Amino acid sequence: DTEVTQTPKHLVMGMTNKKSLKCEQHMGHRAMYWYKQKAKKPPELMFVYSYEKLSINESVPSRFSPECPNSSLLNLHLHALQPEDSALYLCASSRGTNQNTDTQYFGPGTWLTVL
Amino acid sequence: TQLLEQSPQFLSIQEGENLTVYCNSSSVFSSLQWYRQEPGEGPVLLVTVVTGGEVKKLKRLTFQFGDARKDSSLHITAAQPGDTGLYLCAGVRGFKTIFGAGTRLFVKA
Repeated sequence: DTEVTQTPKHLVMGMTNKKSLKCEQHMGHRAMYWYKQKAKKPPELMFVYSYEKLSINESVPSRFSPECPNSSLLNLHLHALQPEDSALYLCASSRGTNQNTDTQYFGPGTWLTVL
Repeated sequence: TQLLEQSPQFLSIQEGENLTVYCNSSSVFSSLQWYRQEPGEGPVLLVTVVTGGEVKKLKRLTFQFGDARKDSSLHITAAQPGDTGLYLCAGVRGFKTIFGAGTRLFVKA
């Protein structure tokens, strides 16, 4: 099983809503990632978790709050988002043993629209 | 700021033609990866190159890592319509992966 699953596939939310994106993998990977991808742009790294601890936060606004409850799950809590936050949010995972060469497996993403 | 520049940004060719996509940076990376992304899906890794000067082949795709580990190329021989997609190069340093802007390839039958 080399699958990373993400739910929901599509999400529409207002600027005052609170919602969460979920990501799950059962490959035994110990590194998990959140990326943001705007239309016609490459993915941009947001957060990295290694062994359930936050390793990298790429200066992401606090209205995005990541959470890694266990080694298989990664959440992204959303609150008070802006319309410019509308994008495809991608989750990825990797073994976490060699950061320089490990393969990252990406999920299909969640298409987020903020009204 | 580490920046990866890809060229060309868009390429439309006939089936059977050859093409090369370039990825250049002023920074050295631990490794460089090439991904392919289909519409509505996440990127899928094609190859990782680690050693300067390394060449890897994947069927009709040939990947090369520059000697100084700052640049890479992807060459496709006899392109087919199934090769249509977005090709992304990505520089890796530790847990950070920095993507290039991508090359959107369209292969006409």
